[in-house]
Amino acid sequence: AQSVTQPDIHITVSEGASLELRCNYSYGATPYLFWYVQSPGQGLQLLLKYFSGDTLVQGIKGFEAEFKRSQSSFNLRKPSVHWSDAAEYFCAVGAPGTASKLTFGTGTRLQVTL
Amino acid sequence: DTGVSQDPRHKITKRGQNVTFRCDPISEHNRLYWYRQTLGQGPEFLTYFQNEAQLEKSRLLSDRFSAERPKGSFSTLEIQRTEQGDSAMYLCASSSSQGPNTIYFGEGSWLTVV
Repeated sequence: AQSVTQPDIHITVSEGASLELRCNYSYGATPYLFWYVQSPGQGLQLLLKYFSGDTLVQGIKGFEAEFKRSQSSFNLRKPSVHWSDAAEYFCAVGAPGTASKLTFGTGTRLQVTL
Repeated sequence: DTGVSQDPRHKITKRGQNVTFRCDPISEHNRLYWYRQTLGQGPEFLTYFQNEAQLEKSRLLSDRFSAERPKGSFSTLEIQRTEQGDSAMYLCASSSSQGPNTIYFGEGSWLTVV
């Protein structure tokens, strides 16, 4: 069975600082990988996705993520955080070639200080 | 593209009552998913449809829950005899069956059972 671990429950960074959110997955092959962001009381917005090919993927709002097969990781990064980035971030994994129901991690809450 | 829409956004109900949520997917998407999210957790898969066929149901979907998608367009999720443990956000999502699966979520429907 597939699973996702987001080891950091809560992260605080200063505005303008760089950000890295960790995601590790468990899956027998290379899965489809996603990062979503959720503001309080809202649904999930897709930030970026990895299906195959280039292991560094670019997303919206200046985010990027790197797939590392050897580490079973898909960490999310942003070089300079803005106060509006404060939200909950979820990593998710899906099985390729199927309807790809997603399995989510428990999320990382990002707080941005001014 | 109007995105995935859900109604109602918030519902407060008394224990034992029935509730129904509606989801309208992105118009060209033939797959529709329901997820449940409780506070502090990531979304958990409940069920999904391809067109009007319900192809998979999670063990989380007890017999008090029923989902339908009668014409392959909108879907409803009904919870009968609600319990306090049903309090959660119910998220609807949709995707196309063409190519790699990117799942887009709606804003969610909050259920509070008192």
